Amino acid sequence: SQQGEEDPQALSIQEGENATMNCSYKTSINNLQWYRQNSGRGLVHLILIRSNEREKHSGRLRVTLDTSKKSSSLLITASRAADTASYFCATDVKISSNTGKLIFGQGTTLQVKP
Amino acid sequence: DVKVTQSSRYLVKRTGEKVFLECVQDMDHENMFWYRQDPGLGLRLIYFSYDVKMKEKGDIPEGYSVSREKKERFSLILESASTNQTSMYLCASSLWSGGTSYTFGSGTRLTVV
Repeated sequence: SQQGEEDPQALSIQEGENATMNCSYKTSINNLQWYRQNSGRGLVHLILIRSNEREKHSGRLRVTLDTSKKSSSLLITASRAADTASYFCATDVKISSNTGKLIFGQGTTLQVKP
Repeated sequence: DVKVTQSSRYLVKRTGEKVFLECVQDMDHENMFWYRQDPGLGLRLIYFSYDVKMKEKGDIPEGYSVSREKKERFSLILESASTNQTSMYLCASSLWSGGTSYTFGSGTRLTVV
């Protein structure tokens, strides 16, 4: 079963606006990661936030994590047409003392109109 | 930069064929993973491996097997391809488990006819 649920499934905004995507998950995690996928290509890692962190920034990206609510959000500020892509959250779930696996949500498709 | 290379970008196979999808990474990563991606279902984990000759079932292993004879290579095998295995297959690797990001290949779009 899927760990994460993302909201919204699709988002369309104008260039320059901010885009916010949300992710909820069900079980305890080691960390939560966000990935980007351009159409028909592989995923590219954007940012990782550990379970003991609450907020993290990377350039125009801001990620928050609320472990009490089992939720995370990704904010892209001052969006550009090149940000058009699908964005996935992924939770790193512990399997044993030294192994884990990433479980992905279904993704949010972002369209940024020029 | 770490590179994960999948041998084929597009593949068309017939029902019942044995299909091999190859994945190679060049940065000595311990862990390797195979996912499939379908519209509306996101990425689902098929198999993963955290060491040479080791393999673990993911969430949807039925109809698949894997092989990891060398650290850098992780092969996904469809024993007898079926039309419901038509999908995008993504290989990924990571340095170790629990706390590192994954590097993905570009994907193999497999069509079974």
